[in-house]
Amino acid sequence: QQQVKQSPQSLIVQKGGISIINCAYENTAFDYFPWYQQFPGKGPALLIAIRPDVSEKKEGRFTISFNKSAKQFSLHIMDSQPGDSATYFCAPLYTTGFQKLVFGTGTRLLVSP
Amino acid sequence: DTEVTQTPKHLVMGMTNKKSLKCEQHMGHRAMYWYKQKAKKPPELMFVYSYEKLSINESVPSRFSPECPNSSLLNLHLHALQPEDSALYLCASSSVVVGKAFFGQGTRLTVV
Repeated sequence: QQQVKQSPQSLIVQKGGISIINCAYENTAFDYFPWYQQFPGKGPALLIAIRPDVSEKKEGRFTISFNKSAKQFSLHIMDSQPGDSATYFCAPLYTTGFQKLVFGTGTRLLVSP
Repeated sequence: DTEVTQTPKHLVMGMTNKKSLKCEQHMGHRAMYWYKQKAKKPPELMFVYSYEKLSINESVPSRFSPECPNSSLLNLHLHALQPEDSALYLCASSSVVVGKAFFGQGTRLTVV
């Protein structure tokens, strides 16, 4: 099983602040780097993803930063809102051939009003 | 339609019961997955079907039996479960090549 480590385990951010979650991986064959968002009692949903040919991708308030040499990628949530309170999982994988989606350890984000 | 539909949403079963969880998608995805998620933990992969054939079994106990009757349906048959099997069971689907997976809302299973 490939190691995928997230940090921090939990995070409390004030409304309007920046939330930063990190993911470190070992498998250099990974070529797709997604973040999933999960609300209590719901299934995970893809939030944003990046491929290794770019170092950053932005979608609205959400940005992925990718550091290939460090084998790390990060999720940045700008202007964090209480509705962003959820658990976030990274799930890097390689898309050549059959994919096996394995989740990181998860980060519980609480955005205080 | 980008939904994965799971039924039932909640299930309580005794240790001697037999029950089934159902999952359906109409996105034309040819990969379907079962995950188990305990509280405050990440989803753990159980089974993967690719083109209706079982591709991955993550050493899951035989009291869990998956079935893929066609490209849109995925079942998980449950028999003689233990209380520690109580969890949220998630179904997901994806295109075999593209990395994006779609998850259902899950079935909250309680074994008494």
